[in-house]
Amino acid sequence: GAGVSQSPRYKVAKRGQDVALRCDPISGHVSLFWYQQALGQGPEFLTYFQNEAQLDKSGLPSDRFFAERPEGSVSTLKIQRTQQEDSAVYLCASRDPWEGGEKLFFGSGTQLSVL
Amino acid sequence: DAKTTQPTSMDCAEGRAANLPCNHSTISGNEYVYWYRQIHSQGPQYIIHGLKNNETNEMASLIITEDRKSSTLILPHATLRDTAVYYCIVTRYGKLTFGQGTILTVHP
Repeated sequence: GAGVSQSPRYKVAKRGQDVALRCDPISGHVSLFWYQQALGQGPEFLTYFQNEAQLDKSGLPSDRFFAERPEGSVSTLKIQRTQQEDSAVYLCASRDPWEGGEKLFFGSGTQLSVL
Repeated sequence: DAKTTQPTSMDCAEGRAANLPCNHSTISGNEYVYWYRQIHSQGPQYIIHGLKNNETNEMASLIITEDRKSSTLILPHATLRDTAVYYCIVTRYGKLTFGQGTILTVHP
């Protein structure tokens, strides 16, 4: 596709519900990242995939957060038993394997509101 | 990764150059300086990056001081569409660490 696609764009959940956020990276991009952005703050790293392998999950705030990328393309970020503090924009990014450095392409994010 | 310091906010008149400073006094020799920006309701967008030489692309110029302890992002002819939060990030590889950034407001 033309860019990184995330769905849904907005998600409202009741406290305690499980949610699943989807990311479609740019075709051919093997590296995929998830970030969390609280209101008024910069994005914070959550986790990183190289193809289907999750190489870094050091930023996941609790064991309620789980990410997967089973076929090395589409990724899903799942949050179980959502809490109000999970309200944030969740950003996905992918990286071109032929570009040097850390030039990431970000999606527009999923805005999660937990009531 | 080295810590960066940026002004909280800046203003610029449309059509004028916008010069956004960033201090990174603890930068290591193999760390790059990256600039991203985030327009309201969008994800961050890559602008430019450099190691020690000045860099220019279709979006901006990056000037890095000789001691590499600071840098300046230059938008040569700012437009209203350049209003955004600008992030200066120093990293060698791996995950990007975003700070608070500089809110640039371009006014008519």
